Amino acid sequence: DTEVTQTPKHLVMGMTNKKSLKCEQHMGHRAMYWYKQKAKKPPELMFVYSYEKLSINESVPSRFSPECPNSSLLNLHLHALQPEDSALYLCASSQGSRGAKGEKLFFGSGTQLSVL
Amino acid sequence: RKEVEQDPGPFNVPEGATVAFNCTYSNSASQSFFWYRQDCRKEPKLLMSVYSSGNEDGRFTAQLNRASQYISLLIRDSKLSDSATYLCVVNKGEGGATNKLIFGTGTLLAVQP
Repeated sequence: DTEVTQTPKHLVMGMTNKKSLKCEQHMGHRAMYWYKQKAKKPPELMFVYSYEKLSINESVPSRFSPECPNSSLLNLHLHALQPEDSALYLCASSQGSRGAKGEKLFFGSGTQLSVL
Repeated sequence: RKEVEQDPGPFNVPEGATVAFNCTYSNSASQSFFWYRQDCRKEPKLLMSVYSSGNEDGRFTAQLNRASQYISLLIRDSKLSDSATYLCVVNKGEGGATNKLIFGTGTLLAVQP
């Protein structure tokens, strides 16, 4: 069982809806990530938070808004999405050792998002 | 050239076979290398880190060749349960970039009874 918990597991939303994806870890990790994965494609990095501060934004459209309320929680707020945003959204965490270049990631089971 | 390249497969092998996957990466400054396994509709799970001297974990052996910028994964005595997509993962290697890992497209392995 994964130690990174994501909710909900499935989400269907219309293009005018506002929804949020939630992620929680209790491993004491200080780095948390959002990845997007389309079918038969590898995960693509969206955002990285390090010590609750946004450290990487991979030029993600503003209709995706990340939030890190504390070291255990990571949210992804969704607003005015497009059908092409339908994908598996994966949260991950890593130890977050300062200066580390390439730590192991631990993934949640993901939220399968469908935008109608 | 893609940052991390893998043969997408599929590799169809009988149970008990030995199979090897290769992965090449473009950034010579990359320092961390991993193999992840992903089952259909599931999250990626870490299979093993790849160390410069090569490392083994049971039936799995990983090798790194920095000069040629490739990583390999060898699976011996394949089991049906090894059927999955194997993802090669490399850190970006940029100065100051916090743990930016790049995933290869994955290699699909199907072990046949």
